[in-house]
Amino acid sequence: SQQGEEDPQALSIQEGENATMNCSYKTSINNLQWYRQNSGRGLVHLILIRSNEREKHSGRLRVTLDTSKKSSSLLITASRAADTASYFCAAHTLSGNTPLVFGKGTRLSVIA
Amino acid sequence: DAGVIQSPRHEVTEMGQEVTLRCKPISGHNSLFWYRQTMMRGLELLIYFNNNVPIDDSGMPEDRFSAKMPNASFSTLKIQPSEPRDSAVYFCASSRGLNYGYTFGSGTRLTVV
Repeated sequence: SQQGEEDPQALSIQEGENATMNCSYKTSINNLQWYRQNSGRGLVHLILIRSNEREKHSGRLRVTLDTSKKSSSLLITASRAADTASYFCAAHTLSGNTPLVFGKGTRLSVIA
Repeated sequence: DAGVIQSPRHEVTEMGQEVTLRCKPISGHNSLFWYRQTMMRGLELLIYFNNNVPIDDSGMPEDRFSAKMPNASFSTLKIQPSEPRDSAVYFCASSRGLNYGYTFGSGTRLTVV
């Protein structure tokens, strides 16, 4: 697997606003996954999007995948203070069965 | 399902002591992963198992680190002897397979003084 590179490193928004985080990767993938980590806790799996999918929704979360640009984005709509966390992406490559490697993540702060 | 269970949640030990971290994966998951997280290095993959067999331990930092998975419901990560630079949060995660989502435990915060 390969490491996803999240951008920006940190993001601060007001409650109710939308938050967009981006992820770039380098080689062809089987799937890409987004995770959330609240302070002092383990990572929580949010969404898995496969290489033949372009968009996926889960509640207030929307993930897009552009394999031609080797990039993905995570949109959180109508953000809440409880969305404050770090968000990570990681991808499974086509080349083989290897585990996920995580980047440094995007630190999202939602201010009430 | 109770999720991935790690113990202890916190461990404070003196340099040179042996430390054993424990993990119970989700029943039916056949892949298990140990990660370490620090501010400086982020999340590092240490080792992973598939069907209880260690597949890749190239992420284990030194020979002081060892991991076992004697059966499908239990894994240990051992550090002997421990050093202050081993201080970190250690996470265990399990998955139905390498191309599925991972479920992480709550982690063990290790402090070596």
